[in-house]
Amino acid sequence: DVKVTQSSRYLVKRTGEKVFLECVQDMDHENMFWYRQDPGLGLRLIYFSYDVKMKEKGDIPEGYSVSREKKERFSLILESASTNQTSMYLCASRLGSGGFGNQPQHFGDGTRLSIL
Amino acid sequence: GDSVTQMEGPVTLSEEAFLTINCTYTATGYPSLFWYVQYPGEGLQLLLKATKADDKGSNKGFEATYRKETTSFHLEKGSVQVSDSAVYFCALRTGNNDMRFGAGTRLTVKP
Repeated sequence: DVKVTQSSRYLVKRTGEKVFLECVQDMDHENMFWYRQDPGLGLRLIYFSYDVKMKEKGDIPEGYSVSREKKERFSLILESASTNQTSMYLCASRLGSGGFGNQPQHFGDGTRLSIL
Repeated sequence: GDSVTQMEGPVTLSEEAFLTINCTYTATGYPSLFWYVQYPGEGLQLLLKATKADDKGSNKGFEATYRKETTSFHLEKGSVQVSDSAVYFCALRTGNNDMRFGAGTRLTVKP
């Protein structure tokens, strides 16, 4: 069965800290994604990666960076955390193939991050 | 750009009531359409999908039909249960293979 694991369910950090959110998938998926989820705004794409060492900006990349050194792991980095980055962060993965349209994304359980 | 608009919640229903959650989309080309469900404390799970016009996706008693003429993908269930209480997201896959999600609709089903 599909499994996307995010390293923390809840995290509290302080303003200005460098924060790492880790995501691991065990399905050998090429594509991985980071979203943030905020009330009334749905999911907004921060960054995504089509393959190892590849990354693309999503809709709201400012203040974030990512790392994809291994196929199974996709890390989201808050370079200098700010209070407006308090949110629920969701990681997802998807099989990359010629038929992209038919492949769903598989989500982790989310990390609720609070920046104080 | 491509986008999804779904009805605002929250929606509160009694058990066994009929459910409709409206979803309309704006897209170039022919996107794939999805409904995801998020139960409390969990990530999103795929509920159903449709990849072309007139396709009907169905799962767990939920259905949605891809209507190209009205650019809609409304979610329906004939008889909801307490266990259906969750947040429901409509989404589309764009021509660039990005996903666009609606804002989510929270459903609460009371016994």
